[in-house]
Amino acid sequence: GQNIDQPTEMTATEGAIVQINCTYQTSGFNGLFWYQQHAGEAPTFLSYNVLDGLEEKGRFSSFLSRSKGYSYLLLKELQMKDSASYLCAVRSGLKAAGNKLTFGGGTRVLVKP
Amino acid sequence: DTAVSQTPKYLVTQMGNDKSIKCEQNLGHDTMYWYKQDSKKFLKIMFSYNNKELIINETVPNRFSPKSPDKAHLNLHINSLELGDSAVYFCASSQDIRAQGTQYFGPGTRLTVL
Repeated sequence: GQNIDQPTEMTATEGAIVQINCTYQTSGFNGLFWYQQHAGEAPTFLSYNVLDGLEEKGRFSSFLSRSKGYSYLLLKELQMKDSASYLCAVRSGLKAAGNKLTFGGGTRVLVKP
Repeated sequence: DTAVSQTPKYLVTQMGNDKSIKCEQNLGHDTMYWYKQDSKKFLKIMFSYNNKELIINETVPNRFSPKSPDKAHLNLHINSLELGDSAVYFCASSQDIRAQGTQYFGPGTRLTVL
């Protein structure tokens, strides 16, 4: 089975940096995704890691360590609009599972002025 | 220009009723999905279809039946609605079933069963 853990909530100040950690235990692994979800809206794709290391995309970076079953999403120069839930999702490596994503419970980030 | 669209956005109904939610994608993707997001915000896969063929069928009551008339559409029909079915249902699509496919989500349908 799949088990994905991330903190429930984090608070940070506008302009600061926040790091959201995600740990996973899975029966197979074929990539890790981060999605952003504003309240009442659809999840939107932020980043994808399949190899170890850091992927940078503007103010957002995501890191993966497959041996540790660990990822983090780094949000820099926080803006008020970054207040949202951030979902960590692992794609199964099992061929029969197709493109199945298993999501963590999400981390709600509140950005304060 | 909406990539993945769902109707209706809100659905309020009585226990025991049968209802359908429609999903359409105009991205030319081969694979579509249905997810359920409960009150605790956990997003869980229910079904996926690849080119109208059922690929993933998680442990979902058989009151839920997906239908894919063509690869751009995946509808969800729910029979004999129960209180526990209240949730937000998201449709998603990806280019294909292979490992490279990022999933893009529709706006969601908030279902409330009274």
